[in-house]
Amino acid sequence: DADVTQTPRNRITKTGKRIMLECSQTKGHDRMYWYRQDPGLGLRLIYYSFDVKDINKGEISDGYSVSRQAQAKFSLSLESAIPNQTALYFCATSESRDRGRQYFGPGTRLTVT
Amino acid sequence: GENVEQHPSTLSVQEGDSAVIKCTYSDSASNYFPWYKQELGKRPQLIIDIRSNVGEKKDQRIAVTLNKTAKHFSLHITETQPEDSAVYFCAASRGSSASKIIFGSGTRLSIRP
Repeated sequence: DADVTQTPRNRITKTGKRIMLECSQTKGHDRMYWYRQDPGLGLRLIYYSFDVKDINKGEISDGYSVSRQAQAKFSLSLESAIPNQTALYFCATSESRDRGRQYFGPGTRLTVT
Repeated sequence: GENVEQHPSTLSVQEGDSAVIKCTYSDSASNYFPWYKQELGKRPQLIIDIRSNVGEKKDQRIAVTLNKTAKHFSLHITETQPEDSAVYFCAASRGSSASKIIFGSGTRLSIRP
């Protein structure tokens, strides 16, 4: 959906660098999520936020942090990137009354060398 | 913890034949079961979903069945076409009370001409 955008779309960075991935949405949804996709492992939840003041860890939050700057913006940070954080990262949104249907952004391909 | 298992991981069928992908879930409180399709290089997109108060739902060539007692649900694609080639993800969620969705590991479906 064009209503969920991610920047950058591709990024190559070196081990130890700090990097931020950004997600913006114009859907007016209250809930936002960050997922990581690795081959054969599906989509794994890193962090999720049900509103601006609510941040929750997902199943693989170690090494990541997030910030919900506004209802429409949710950023994911890697404080000190490591090679095994090389993956495809997706942001998603959902509406609290919609029982969990999620709308994904286009993804950010991150490579840590 | 909550878990969703998906089988098979890869599936190849002749064009025109049917394809079936199966998932099992561990959280008996799950009541919403979406299926997402991810074409190569694209974002996951919802193709069909089912809620726990129904046993089957159909939309043209795709259908989903749910067996709550056995805690499994399946995606059925009939009369497969080349454009059905993609990775398919099942997922399970408790719904609005806690819309964290747990995804299966994905099935790569290939349609042979």
